[in-house]
Amino acid sequence: EAGVAQSPRYKIIEKRQSVAFWCNPISGHATLYWYQQILGQGPKLLIQFQNNGVVDDSQLPKDRFSAERLKGVDSTLKIQPAKLEDSAVYLCASSRQGYGQPQHFGDGTRLSIL
Amino acid sequence: AQKVTQAQTEISVVEKEDVTLDCVYETRDTTYYLFWYKQPPSGELVFLIRRNSFDEQNEISGRYSWNFQKSTSSFNFTITASQVVDSAVYFCALSVTGTASKLTFGTGTRLQVTL
Repeated sequence: EAGVAQSPRYKIIEKRQSVAFWCNPISGHATLYWYQQILGQGPKLLIQFQNNGVVDDSQLPKDRFSAERLKGVDSTLKIQPAKLEDSAVYLCASSRQGYGQPQHFGDGTRLSIL
Repeated sequence: AQKVTQAQTEISVVEKEDVTLDCVYETRDTTYYLFWYKQPPSGELVFLIRRNSFDEQNEISGRYSWNFQKSTSSFNFTITASQVVDSAVYFCALSVTGTASKLTFGTGTRLQVTL
């Protein structure tokens, strides 16, 4: 079974620029998550999709972050404009539908803001 | 609100030593799941175990074992005869009903195993 695919692995941009991350979940996984992991901290959920609908985006800074999951498969997360505090690893995860299902994570995208 | 505390920031052991990683959680829900994940230097979070709140049986998988105690709200993880490949950051996480499977993570414990 192929794992969660993310790209790019690394991204360096200047503040106020925009950036986008892509995620392809495990086949058959209806639920997709985007997490932000700041150095030295545990991951924090940004947004959760069930198929192509948003389940939870309460911690997504909506003035600059946006995400979509067209057709209920791939997803993109965008930041525009980026701030210095957005430097972090952005992790995508997927799981089967249902409460308590284990989430399986991709390798993440390490974002550095200059 | 949910909270997960991993008080040990960093642990260093010599190979073949046993090591226990502590995890204490807080929730008012009676139904919840607890998880452990491993994050090696490559960055990917690897799922290790899931335990629901109604199952207090300890679990052993090879050199790994987990001790779940509801009375102390703890879900500790022990590695027996540690190896260099066990070096990683380990995260404990909590998911409660009504949060659509959202994971609340602790801050992680960095385990360094040396020869």
